[in-house]
Amino acid sequence: DGGITQSPKYLFRKEGQNVTLSCEQNLNHDAMYWYRQDPGQGLRLIYYSQIVNDFQKGDIAEGYSVSREKKESFPLTVTSAQKNPTAFYLCASSTTSGGYTYEQYFGPGTRLTVT
Amino acid sequence: AQSVAQPEDQVNVAEGNPLTVKCTYSVSGNPYLFWYVQYPNRGLQFLLKYITGDNLVKGSYGFEAEFNKSQTSFHLKKPSALVSDSALYFCAVRDTGPRGSARQLTFGSGTQLTVLP
Repeated sequence: DGGITQSPKYLFRKEGQNVTLSCEQNLNHDAMYWYRQDPGQGLRLIYYSQIVNDFQKGDIAEGYSVSREKKESFPLTVTSAQKNPTAFYLCASSTTSGGYTYEQYFGPGTRLTVT
Repeated sequence: AQSVAQPEDQVNVAEGNPLTVKCTYSVSGNPYLFWYVQYPNRGLQFLLKYITGDNLVKGSYGFEAEFNKSQTSFHLKKPSALVSDSALYFCAVRDTGPRGSARQLTFGSGTQLTVLP
């Protein structure tokens, strides 16, 4: 899991509550990403950020929000507007060394359960 | 739009036998291709990548993959499987994109590899 930490590992919330998932990296990577993983569906991109104070929507951004105030941190908020928030959430980062971005490195994930 | 297909949800192989996990892709222009492995309740671990050059790419833990442009495939292989190789494997693709851009990776749905002792 390299230098990317996600906390907590397991998170339980009641329906209607917002919840924030933490992602921190010490790899000095410029780009950071949030994915959602559901059984049998692979990974789907929620948001990504190339630089501080800038981020872009991925394929399934509705019901989620992010911020990128520091290079090392990219927290994800799952809002009450997200209709089916129970999932495994993965944060990743990648370098732009040499002007190109290549492989992404992943954190250990946070399993969110909303009841 | 780019896409990845992993046609087998499950692959079973006996320990010591060769293994292959299949992946085909679709992308505009030249592809960047990746394989990742995931153990239960863990993040994804990077195995190997194809960017350019030799079509046979060697990666971690004895895995290799062969890029075939005409068949748009990037199958993962290992000459002799271990029980500890049992895990979920993901193929991913991205387009080349502008220099310095954080390009989106598209993942396949995953293949569960089980190596039987």
